[in-house]
Amino acid sequence: DTGVSQDPRHKITKRGQNVTFRCDPISEHNRLYWYRQTLGQGPEFLTYFQNEAQLEKSRLLSDRFSAERPKGSFSTLEIQRTEQGDSAMYLCASSLSAGGNTEAFFGQGTRLTVV
Amino acid sequence: QKEVEQDPGPLSVPEGAIVSLNCTYSNSAFQYFMWYRQYSRKGPELLMYTYSSGNKEDGRFTAQVDKSSKYISLFIRDSQPSDSATYLCASQGAQKLVFGQGTRLTINP
Repeated sequence: DTGVSQDPRHKITKRGQNVTFRCDPISEHNRLYWYRQTLGQGPEFLTYFQNEAQLEKSRLLSDRFSAERPKGSFSTLEIQRTEQGDSAMYLCASSLSAGGNTEAFFGQGTRLTVV
Repeated sequence: QKEVEQDPGPLSVPEGAIVSLNCTYSNSAFQYFMWYRQYSRKGPELLMYTYSSGNKEDGRFTAQVDKSSKYISLFIRDSQPSDSATYLCASQGAQKLVFGQGTRLTINP
């Protein structure tokens, strides 16, 4: 078990381009979360999955954002038509939910810069 | 009002001091409470995880939760320069984790 893995670690893109990030959770974890963090702020919730079902989406997640978790394993977060305001660290976390919650572990994040 | 409030600091203390970090929360449904440590440009690292009220100790770290006052604390004993980081508190009910803003801590040798 190597923990939560995120790819890529860094992404620089031009405004208007689409980007996709990948998250591989800890293997037995059924919950997967996406957060966004800007400098000097705590992580802000974007969305989460329980297995393959997307159970909650934040109002922060505009129509340009979409997340998937096919087969309840890895997840992808896509941002279409990127804007400079999308520049942030995108964090993925996973946990086990089985009659109660367990600890959520984070990956190292994907740092997005939109130029 | 944010669901989890945390003083962003910065907080600077000498090596060896006892550090006290605090958060308040507003949602009575929160049952799980966590402290994460985050170094610059890294993902948050889980330090402490507690369920409901009470204390939990792990080495130099002690987490306290008082549900009656909706108050969460983290104490660091014998602080070391390597403890310098941003500390994030988080609370959770049945669904998502909600984070405070984070407190930036510096331990001076």
